[in-house]
Amino acid sequence: GNSVTQMEGPVTLSEEAFLTINCTYTATGYPSLFWYVQYPGEGLQLLLKATKADDKGSNKGFEATYRKETTSFHLEKGSVQVSDSAVYFCALSTDKLIFGTGTRLQVFP
Amino acid sequence: ETGVTQTPRHLVMGMTNKKSLKCEQHLGHNAMYWYKQSAKKPLELMFVYSLEERVENNSVPSRFSPECPNSSHLFLHLHTLQPEDSALYLCASSQERQAQVNNSPLHFGNGTRLTVT
Repeated sequence: GNSVTQMEGPVTLSEEAFLTINCTYTATGYPSLFWYVQYPGEGLQLLLKATKADDKGSNKGFEATYRKETTSFHLEKGSVQVSDSAVYFCALSTDKLIFGTGTRLQVFP
Repeated sequence: ETGVTQTPRHLVMGMTNKKSLKCEQHLGHNAMYWYKQSAKKPLELMFVYSLEERVENNSVPSRFSPECPNSSHLFLHLHTLQPEDSALYLCASSQERQAQVNNSPLHFGNGTRLTVT
């Protein structure tokens, strides 16, 4: 069946460090891929998405590239801020939306 | 303001209580969802409503009973819950049920933190 695997957290970084959160997927067909973010005390909100192979989604300095050959959609940011501290969820969709377990990011000043 | 409002934010209930969670969306969406978020587990889709009709029920125990009286409101009625039901319950909406898969993102509420004692 379809599934999403994310790296376990927490990921702990200093401000301005480079961020990578790994995400790989298993799917039949051609899924769309998403990153959602959940800030403390809030629900999830869409961060970025990519709908086909080699597409790059970007938003708020975050980027992720749809890699069909490696079935990956890793999230990156060149310089994180304390305000980026949150839980990040990778997700895929074919006929329904399937989420990963989430990766907690903690950024310290 | 997320456009999706959930109440209460926190709820503590005993195993013999009956309570309800409420969700309201002000976005004019046609599809609404209940998700369960537990630590170290993927989000679990519980129920999907499209145009007030339940279109998906993912093997959820009968102690959870959803209700969708109109396209703006969604309830989750709870009775005789177990401690393992303690979790964050998230409501979400999207413009259309099928479109949410690719074109229309889910809009989530802030959730109800449920503790069953």
